[in-house]
Amino acid sequence: GENVEQHPSTLSVQEGDSAVIKCTYSDSASNYFPWYKQELGKGPQLIIDIRSNVGEKKDQRIAVTLNKTAKHFSLHITETQPEDSAVYFCAASRGGGSNYKLTFGKGTLLTVNP
Amino acid sequence: GAVVSQHPSRVICKSGTSVKIECRSLDFQATTMFWYRQFPKQSLMLMATSNEGSKATYEQGVEKDKFLINHASLTLSTLTVTSAHPEDSSFYICSAGDTTGTGGEKLFFGSGTQLSVL
Repeated sequence: GENVEQHPSTLSVQEGDSAVIKCTYSDSASNYFPWYKQELGKGPQLIIDIRSNVGEKKDQRIAVTLNKTAKHFSLHITETQPEDSAVYFCAASRGGGSNYKLTFGKGTLLTVNP
Repeated sequence: GAVVSQHPSRVICKSGTSVKIECRSLDFQATTMFWYRQFPKQSLMLMATSNEGSKATYEQGVEKDKFLINHASLTLSTLTVTSAHPEDSSFYICSAGDTTGTGGEKLFFGSGTQLSVL
């Protein structure tokens, strides 16, 4: 089955700096890669996703890049703000109907210091 | 994004009792919903896949008689923790897929249920 590795497990940055979180996956058939933000005591919130036919996607301060050959994808947050502090999870799935069962990374605790 | 409503958000129960958690997709129909369990400072562990009108598919190691799943309609799935024990205490989260959006197959999560068994 799919295995998703996520690094780093914790990341501390100063407000205004950029943050990068990296994930690798093992299943070459995976073609859908979402990122979720989870605040304490809440469910994960989808923040951005990318499909394997695209190399990069950007939404305001958030961007995701995908290298399908190397089987890794990254989340980039620019101009970080204290409210970006949360746990971020990457995930992978094969997509398509009932096959969109997600495999999650272990998460990254991001702390943005004012 | 699509909205998934999960209730209750928190429940405390005595050992031996059963607890039901509801997961509703509010603005879309979900033929498939997923139930996860999350321990403190850990990732989400998939427990089962809930299919509307058919039996749920459980992940290896998850007791189907312990965690009863019912997906009776396209907008509602329930998870019942039967004869709960302290080791069942955890954060339970459901997710539902919206296949009707232009992006296709996005999964949205409920707000989670913190179960504490005394």
